Amino acid sequence: EPEVTQTPSHQVTQMGQEVILRCVPISNHLYFYWYRQILGQKVEFLVSFYNNEISEKSEIFDDQFSVERPDGSNFTLKIRSTKLEDSAMYFCASSVRPMNTEAFFGQGTRLTVV
Amino acid sequence: AQSVAQPEDQVNVAEGNPLTVKCTYSVSGNPYLFWYVQYPNRGLQFLLKYITGDNLVKGSYGFEAEFNKSQTSFHLKKPSALVSDSALYFCAVRDIKTGANNLFFGTGTRLTVIP
Repeated sequence: EPEVTQTPSHQVTQMGQEVILRCVPISNHLYFYWYRQILGQKVEFLVSFYNNEISEKSEIFDDQFSVERPDGSNFTLKIRSTKLEDSAMYFCASSVRPMNTEAFFGQGTRLTVV
Repeated sequence: AQSVAQPEDQVNVAEGNPLTVKCTYSVSGNPYLFWYVQYPNRGLQFLLKYITGDNLVKGSYGFEAEFNKSQTSFHLKKPSALVSDSALYFCAVRDIKTGANNLFFGTGTRLTVIP
């Protein structure tokens, strides 16, 4: 069964450092997403991406965040200057179509900023 | 604005008994509704969805959910709980009217099935 894969599973970084979280969406999917889940809180939408550009983003997704699809398979989330409050589980997801289909989620990357 | 409420942080049920995990939603238009399950150290796994049609939808692992428009609810149910159903369950909604593609999640309900 096809699945979304994310690397690394856990990343520890110092405050102020840049991190790149990597995702390989399901191959025939066209819509890509990043969500995050701060420990003990709900899953929150960050950004959606379609046709090589951002289609929607939340207020969380400020200038320190960026996304990229550098090749035909990877989808990355970059956090330029990490803050302590960026510590969370980051989930990548993909879907075939935008609205009436389910999104498939990866297993997540746990980011710890120290 | 879209929102999802899962009023119970924790639900405990004995193995073999029916289970219900509650979800209510608020959207400006018609909703697309989803249930996801999260096992420890795993990602979110899709269980079922309501898009249109029959109000009772069936999903993976014997779960089902009933869309109730008048009560704006989409409760998750299973006739007979298994210990392996113990996990964190999330209800999520998309608002058709806004056309927003992103999912709005509830805060999650931790289901514990007691042997």
